[in-house]
Amino acid sequence: AQKVTQAQTEISVVEKEDVTLDCVYETRDTTYYLFWYKQPPSGELVFLIRRNSFDEQNEISGRYSWNFQKSTSSFNFTITASQVVDSAVYFCALRGGGADGLTFGKGTHLIIQP
Amino acid sequence: DSGVTQTPKHLITATGQRVTLRCSPRSGDLSVYWYQQSLDQGLQFLIQYYNGEERAKGNILERFSAQQFPDLHSELNLSSLELGDSALYFCASSAHPRGSVSEQYFGPGTRLTVT
Repeated sequence: AQKVTQAQTEISVVEKEDVTLDCVYETRDTTYYLFWYKQPPSGELVFLIRRNSFDEQNEISGRYSWNFQKSTSSFNFTITASQVVDSAVYFCALRGGGADGLTFGKGTHLIIQP
Repeated sequence: DSGVTQTPKHLITATGQRVTLRCSPRSGDLSVYWYQQSLDQGLQFLIQYYNGEERAKGNILERFSAQQFPDLHSELNLSSLELGDSALYFCASSAHPRGSVSEQYFGPGTRLTVT
């Protein structure tokens, strides 16, 4: 069975601070895919990034960066210089090589205070 | 805007009733997925269709069923509704059946309230 754990239920920081959201996953598949989605207060789920299991390169996109480490089964997400608009619930998700549905973590509610 | 549309946006109904949720995927996407988001269970995968055929099943109750039509839109049917079925139901679409090289893009969701 696959599992995604986001141990941080809620994080609150002041604007401009850096913040890291943790994601730990479990899977027996050798090929798998990891995702981060953002759910703002309006409720929709917004795709942020996909990472394939065979590609351990870290990725940076503007103020966002992702650290994928197979050795620790982690796929952490860092927001640099956070802004109020970053306030949302962030979900980490896993998709096995043979399965099509996403397995989501419980989400981390990120609050950026002005 | 992801390009995935869902109707209705809100639905309020009584226990024991039956409802149908509708989803139109992004243009060109052949796969449609249904997810349920509730406070108790979080986000759960229900079922996937690819080009009209059922492809994968997740934690979908027997009271729930879905189908995908020739024009690729999909409907999720929920019957004998219970209070616990109150949730946000998302539809997502992707271009590839396994999504190995494409992401799932989510619609805005349908909020179902069962009273």
